[in-house]
Amino acid sequence: DSGVTQTPKHLITATGQRVTLRCSPRSGDLSVYWYQQSLDQGLQFLIQYYNGEERAKGNILERFSAQQFPDLHSELNLSSLELGDSALYFCASSVGRDTNYGYTFGSGTRLTVV
Amino acid sequence: GENVEQHPSTLSVQEGDSAVIKCTYSDSASNYFPWYKQELGKRPQLIIDIRSNVGEKKDQRIAVTLNKTAKHFSLHITETQPEDSAVYFCAARIGSFSGSARQLTFGSGTQLTVLP
Repeated sequence: DSGVTQTPKHLITATGQRVTLRCSPRSGDLSVYWYQQSLDQGLQFLIQYYNGEERAKGNILERFSAQQFPDLHSELNLSSLELGDSALYFCASSVGRDTNYGYTFGSGTRLTVV
Repeated sequence: GENVEQHPSTLSVQEGDSAVIKCTYSDSASNYFPWYKQELGKRPQLIIDIRSNVGEKKDQRIAVTLNKTAKHFSLHITETQPEDSAVYFCAARIGSFSGSARQLTFGSGTQLTVLP
């Protein structure tokens, strides 16, 4: 157990729907990062939050949004889902605002859009 | 922004042989280079990292080398075992600049297969 908790582990939904993925960072970590991993693809950075505020944005679609709550857990909202959104979504956390010691990844949420 | 290229995309070796995976990065300000191992269906796990003030780092059968001038770094696994079979990702993080975020940029991954 890495200490980073992601729920749900699996999610199957239809095109056009909206889903919410949840992440609780490791105790003491203030930064949360979201990454998308499509089949046979690498890890694409989506967005980072630090202590409740958006810190950095990557290749995140306008249909996607995220937030980090006062208790530091984060949610990634995916709307108007398309077949191509099917992927593994990883959350990672780190202590500081920047990655001085690498990330700790959660186990991921596998999203299947049918 | 940072761009990280990783080669090869697939690598097969005989058990006991060595494996080498290479990455290049584009931003000369990058100063932190971790390597992650991802087994099938599991999360990426940090296996070793190196900072720009060091040229080489070893941890048992795993070593990483860094050439700042050429902007490339490599993962070396010696005496490979079947349990080393996984996807390996390199990553790079740019250095500290006011107002800039320093998330990791990952390479595209290398599928390593160790044949018994």
